[in-house]
This record gives sequence, C-alpha cells and structure tokens, in this order.
Amino acid sequence: LAKTTQPISMDSYEGQEVNITCSHNNIATNDYITWYQQFPSQGPRFIIQGYKTKVTNEVASLFIPADRKSSTLSLPRVSLSDTAVYYCLVAHNNAGNMLTFGGGTRLMVKP
Amino acid sequence: GAGVSQSPRYKVAKRGQDVALRCDPISGHVSLFWYQQALGQGPEFLTYFQNEAQLDKSGLPSDRFFAERPEGSVSTLKIQRTQQEDSAVYLCASSFGTGGEEQYFGPGTRLTVT
Repeated sequence: LAKTTQPISMDSYEGQEVNITCSHNNIATNDYITWYQQFPSQGPRFIIQGYKTKVTNEVASLFIPADRKSSTLSLPRVSLSDTAVYYCLVAHNNAGNMLTFGGGTRLMVKP
Repeated sequence: GAGVSQSPRYKVAKRGQDVALRCDPISGHVSLFWYQQALGQGPEFLTYFQNEAQLDKSGLPSDRFFAERPEGSVSTLKIQRTQQEDSAVYLCASSFGTGGEEQYFGPGTRLTVT
C-alpha cells in the first residue's frame, strides 16, 4: 500500500482558504486518492476522491498533478466548524479494500 | 436516513472481562468493516465482512478478538479477557457494494479497560 505523508497540524482563520498537501510517492496505477474528515467523538466522514487533475464538490476541491505523487485538498473559506482532523488515503477501489489511515492533519480554525 | 449506529457508545471493563460491541450498518449495505482507533492516531483496520462472510480478519490483533455478522446485517465485535492495551475507540463502517466505495462510519464505541 502506498504510504502517505501530510503535515501533522495546521492553523487557519475563518474565511481563509486552506490547502493541505499530501505526498504519496509510490502511488500505484490503479490507486485512487481519498480524503476523510473526522470531528472529535465521531467516525471519519468521506470528503472527496479523485484519480487525476481536479475534482470539485460542494465541500472541497482536490488537485492532483500529472505525476500523481502528491495531492492537495483545498477548503474554501473555512469556518470554525471545519476544525477537524483530515486524512489523506491512497487505495485501490477493489472489493473489501480496507482504508489505511495515517496520522492525519489536525486543522485548527481560529476566529 | 439512518446512518451507522453503534452501541454502547462508552464501555468500561475491568481487565479480564469479556465485552461485546454492536454495529448496525446502513440497511442494504453489503460491506462492513471494523477499525480500532487509539488516542491521537488514525483508525486501523481490524476485519471485513461481505454480507455474512468474514473475508478478511488480518487486522485482528490477537485471538481474543472475534467478530461475527451472522445474518449479513448487524455485526458484533467481541473481545475476550480484555487487557489495558485494548482501550481504544472501535469504529464500524459500512459501504453499499463490494467495489471499495465510500465507507460510512458510525460514531464508535470508546472502550476503557481498567
């Protein structure tokens, strides 16, 4: 499984755009990049998934360069409620494929 | 609609006791996963069910851990003779199919072994 590396923590202020970059140098051809969000005392929640270039949904954007060795999760105009741990995962989309979480990035949004 | 539910939300057990943790997945979801999350760390995979079949139990840390899903819906994770190192949050997740789709997590059960 491809190992991911992401910052341990980040601070931001309300209304700012936050970009969290994850490196996955040994990503395989059939691996997808997925991000999950976890609030205290809750289970992780799927945010976004992509394979290459750019993916956008109502919550975030995911930027993946051509070599796919890194990816950037972009959260537009964060609010206090975006304070959470964000996990970058790389996985095949195969049957029964469990998720392999790293340590995640603890994002603190300040007023 | 209803999400994944887990019970109890909190469990305190004395060392050596047996515990049973329940997971109610989203109705109709074929795949069910159990994860263990230690304080300050990301979740770690324990076991996977496809309907009632346990297809992967490679993450179970010892033979004291046992999971079942007899009718392909509700699942129970049982830990026998609990040890202090078993203290963690136990998360259950389900997904609709078998193709590695998005997993929906429950709130977890926080187990404290004293």
